[in-house]
Amino acid sequence: QKEVEQNSGPLSVPEGAIASLNCTYSDRGSQSFFWYRQYSGKSPELIMSIYSNGDKEDGRFTAQLNKASQYVSLLIRDSQPSDSATYLCAVNLGGGADGLTFGKGTHLIIQP
Amino acid sequence: GAVVSQHPSWVICKSGTSVKIECRSLDFQATTMFWYRQFPKQSLMLMATSNEGSKATYEQGVEKDKFLINHASLTLSTLTVTSAHPEDSSFYICSVAPHWTKETQYFGPGTRLLVL
Repeated sequence: QKEVEQNSGPLSVPEGAIASLNCTYSDRGSQSFFWYRQYSGKSPELIMSIYSNGDKEDGRFTAQLNKASQYVSLLIRDSQPSDSATYLCAVNLGGGADGLTFGKGTHLIIQP
Repeated sequence: GAVVSQHPSWVICKSGTSVKIECRSLDFQATTMFWYRQFPKQSLMLMATSNEGSKATYEQGVEKDKFLINHASLTLSTLTVTSAHPEDSSFYICSVAPHWTKETQYFGPGTRLLVL
């Protein structure tokens, strides 16, 4: 049974600070990892993808992957009120066109 | 990324009726599309994988006779909820994974179904 765990929050962060979101997964065979942002009532939008151990940076976002610890994180620098949303961690076992297994998401609130 | 549309965005129906939801890949040909369902305050759950020209693959616990999937072309997949009941009320979202994005999935805007 593939599982993806996230702290549901809410996680409250002051504007301008760094928001740190964490995710663990149970299937050691997972190969592809994604962070999606979901605003209330909307569908998920892709923030970051990561496939190799280490850090991957894209603008204010940094994804970190540690396959040995089965741990993925997302850092959001210079947090803005518009970053307030639910952040979903998703994993793909890999090897082609597989569906994603999602965590329940972390509700992030950026306080102005 | 890929552009995905869904129609309708909202549907309200009476219990016992059938509802068809369309998912279109607008800017590339998708041999595979995915259907997810999201209940309030829950995460997305994969329902089925839709394969062009062949039968869909359903996840455990998803009734294939209730949720009919037809992937008749490389740009269109449809999900029909047959004999809908109030417990089928949910947010239905499709996604595509372009071959150039290494399994990254892009989601449609979703269809919110309310069964009375």
